[in-house]
Amino acid sequence: AQRVTQPEKLLSVFKGAPVELKCNYSYSGSPELFWYVQYSRQRLQLLLRHISRESIKGFTADLNKGETSFHLKKPFAQEEDSAMYYCALLTGGGNKLTFGTGTQLKVEL
Amino acid sequence: DVKVTQSSRYLVKRTGEKVFLECVQDMDHENMFWYRQDPGLGLRLIYFSYDVKMKEKGDIPEGYSVSREKKERFSLILESASTNQTSMYLCASSLYGGPLSYNEQFFGPGTRLTVL
Repeated sequence: AQRVTQPEKLLSVFKGAPVELKCNYSYSGSPELFWYVQYSRQRLQLLLRHISRESIKGFTADLNKGETSFHLKKPFAQEEDSAMYYCALLTGGGNKLTFGTGTQLKVEL
Repeated sequence: DVKVTQSSRYLVKRTGEKVFLECVQDMDHENMFWYRQDPGLGLRLIYFSYDVKMKEKGDIPEGYSVSREKKERFSLILESASTNQTSMYLCASSLYGGPLSYNEQFFGPGTRLTVL
């Protein structure tokens, strides 16, 4: 069965420090992974998807099939990065997402 | 710009009441979803619909039912609300995709339901 694991419930870093939000997955098929973000009092929205190999708001994520990981990284954290981050795996024939439990990122000044 | 709207931001109901949560999307998406969001548990899929009158159980369907009579509208029904259904409920929609698609899900603002 598919599973997404985010081991950290809360990650606290100082402004300007590097950020890495961990995500590991378990899936028998070819994985397609996403990061979604929810800022305070805003709706959940897509941050980035691995297939696009893009950098959004300075964040990147590389799919490592050997380690079954899709960690989200940013070299220098900003205060506005404080939010809840969810890793998600595409399943159900390309129509459903399995979400991790989320990591709350807090960037302190 | 995709818009997904939910009928209420906050709702307070009593145990045993029948509760309707409504979701409407305006982008002609085939797929619609209901999740509940709980601290430490993330988003869990309750039900999914890929077409009018079609539905599929998600991971936690017990105590819930859904209705999709029109493409743009997806309703979540709590037949007899219980206190353990107190939660944030999120609706989402997306285009119907094939095995290699990577369709983005667009979310509504959420309904915070409290069952007393």
